[in-house]
Amino acid sequence: ELKVEQNPLFLSMQEGKNYTIYCNYSTTSDRLYWYRQDPGKSLESLFVLLSNGAVKQEGRLMASLDTKARLSTLHITAAVHDLSATYFCAVDYGGSQGNLIFGKGTKLSVKP
Amino acid sequence: DTGVSQDPRHKITKRGQNVTFRCDPISEHNRLYWYRQTLGQGPEFLTYFQNEAQLEKSRLLSDRFSAERPKGSFSTLEIQRTEQGDSAMYLCASSGQGMIGELFFGEGSRLTVL
Repeated sequence: ELKVEQNPLFLSMQEGKNYTIYCNYSTTSDRLYWYRQDPGKSLESLFVLLSNGAVKQEGRLMASLDTKARLSTLHITAAVHDLSATYFCAVDYGGSQGNLIFGKGTKLSVKP
Repeated sequence: DTGVSQDPRHKITKRGQNVTFRCDPISEHNRLYWYRQTLGQGPEFLTYFQNEAQLEKSRLLSDRFSAERPKGSFSTLEIQRTEQGDSAMYLCASSGQGMIGELFFGEGSRLTVL
């Protein structure tokens, strides 16, 4: 059974600090996705990582994928309050059919 | 607005009643997905369509659940004889051909079963 585990599940940071969210998954997959969800809202796609060693950056967020270690990281640089949200990683187990297995999410709170 | 739209956004019903949710995907997307999300959890896959064909159903989708996409455009998800355990956010997502599995989600339909 494919499992996707994120840690930490809760993260409280101060503005200006750096931190990394980890996403481990239990079976081979070359496709990993990061989504953001604001309270009461739907999920917004952040990054699509398609191969080993893939690295993508958008603003203060950078995501990477190591398929051999079955690990993806989401690094936050110099956090700001607007980044407060829940972040999910998801793995495609259906051969790019979009049948994603999501982690439980990391609830990030950035405080001034 | 050209995003995925869902209706209704909120539904409160009594146990045993039937409910139906509608999803209108992004118009050029041929794949449509239903997911369910409970509080504090990530979304769980329920089913997906490519055009009008339902190609996969999760074992989470009991016999009380049925989904259709009759003309390959909008989709409906019906839950019959609702149970309190059905209370959740039902999310619809769509994806286009060759979009490498990236899903675009709607705002969701929140179901509360009393």
